[in-house]
Amino acid sequence: GQSLEQPSEVTAVEGAIVQINCTYQTSGFYGLSWYQQHDGGAPTFLSYNALDGLEETGRFSSFLSRSDSYGYLLLQELQMKDSASYFCAVRENTDKLIFGTGTRLQVFP
Amino acid sequence: DAGVIQSPRHEVTEMGQEVTLRCKPISGHNSLFWYRQTMMRGLELLIYFNNNVPIDDSGMPEDRFSAKMPNASFSTLKIQPSEPRDSAVYFCASSLLQNEAFFGQGTRLTVV
Repeated sequence: GQSLEQPSEVTAVEGAIVQINCTYQTSGFYGLSWYQQHDGGAPTFLSYNALDGLEETGRFSSFLSRSDSYGYLLLQELQMKDSASYFCAVRENTDKLIFGTGTRLQVFP
Repeated sequence: DAGVIQSPRHEVTEMGQEVTLRCKPISGHNSLFWYRQTMMRGLELLIYFNNNVPIDDSGMPEDRFSAKMPNASFSTLKIQPSEPRDSAVYFCASSLLQNEAFFGQGTRLTVV
């Protein structure tokens, strides 16, 4: 079967750094994505890794290790507005996109 | 482009009634996905289309669920008959490139 595992909840304070891990087991792998979802909103794309290594986009970075079936999202200089749910997602083939269980991040002042 | 458009935004219906959810993907996108989101099960992929053709419907929970994509600019997800356990937020998403999918605002379905 397929599974994408993430911690259910993470808490941090403003200005801190937080890492959200994702381990996956899927029938195919084309890449790992990260999405952010605020309460009542729709998931929005943050980043994508097709190859091993670190991708940086502003305060957010994403890492992938295909040999370990593992990735993480790193959020730096946390702000209150970063409080949201974060999902990892795997492209199993050129089209199919499946999502992890989601991690709820709470940022405190 | 206005993004992915879903309708209705909210739907309340009685058990046993037919429910039809609608989606207009972003123009030019060739993949369309239907997801269901609940607290217990997270974001589940129900079905996806590529170039209007259903590719994988293994996530459709039961025969009560059906989806169509008659053309590149329109898709429907139908539940007949609806049951209380179908209550969830249903998202439609579209993509062109492998790396990014764009989601609609979702339809919050409540079956009473």
